[in-house]
Amino acid sequence: QQQVKQSPQSLIVQKGGISIINCAYENTAFDYFPWYQQFPGKGPALLIAIRPDVSEKKEGRFTISFNKSAKQFSLHIMDSQPGDSATYFCAASWSSGTYKYIFGTGTRLKVLA
Amino acid sequence: NAGVMQNPRHLVRRRGQEARLRCSPMKGHSHVYWYRQLPEEGLKFMVYLQKENIIDESGMPKERFSAEFPKEGPSILRIQQVVRGDSAAYFCASSPQDRTTIYFGEGSWLTVV
Repeated sequence: QQQVKQSPQSLIVQKGGISIINCAYENTAFDYFPWYQQFPGKGPALLIAIRPDVSEKKEGRFTISFNKSAKQFSLHIMDSQPGDSATYFCAASWSSGTYKYIFGTGTRLKVLA
Repeated sequence: NAGVMQNPRHLVRRRGQEARLRCSPMKGHSHVYWYRQLPEEGLKFMVYLQKENIIDESGMPKERFSAEFPKEGPSILRIQQVVRGDSAAYFCASSPQDRTTIYFGEGSWLTVV
């Protein structure tokens, strides 16, 4: 019940295209959903996060869409660039717990020039 | 404003030796989390600490692993009698008082030979 399922495992997109990564969860107590970007040999860096009281949040080329009833959320990267090539992790946490994050298994994105 | 500092960045240990990984949280952060990332896998929660207290160690292996966050100095993740399966990247993260967002360090890569 504490799992966060992420798909696809890997994704190849042409430069300028839209990258879409999906996550699903079971635990309805989750109330914070961040996305992290990780480059090889580096630590994960926070990209964008959303709470379930909104259905969408946009920051630059990155958008989170949130569907509370379906218990799903997704990351959209508009106008994908080769510099976006990295591994992306979704996560979930709950404020009534210890705030530890449950991470998805990651999506390796490659944007072709 | 320094981020989360981890050292060493890379550590090689022979089977049976001890590994000590250190983490200094961001300035003003009093919450520290340790995560482990196995090759080609996601981030797995290990332990959550506040100063002088272990709050949640539900992800820590029962044997050989321990963590502390003393009143003074960095948080330490200690792995005794390392085995090849301990080879992984260990990430420390810290959060401010509201705990909503956690910020990761660059990681410590442990290789057991």
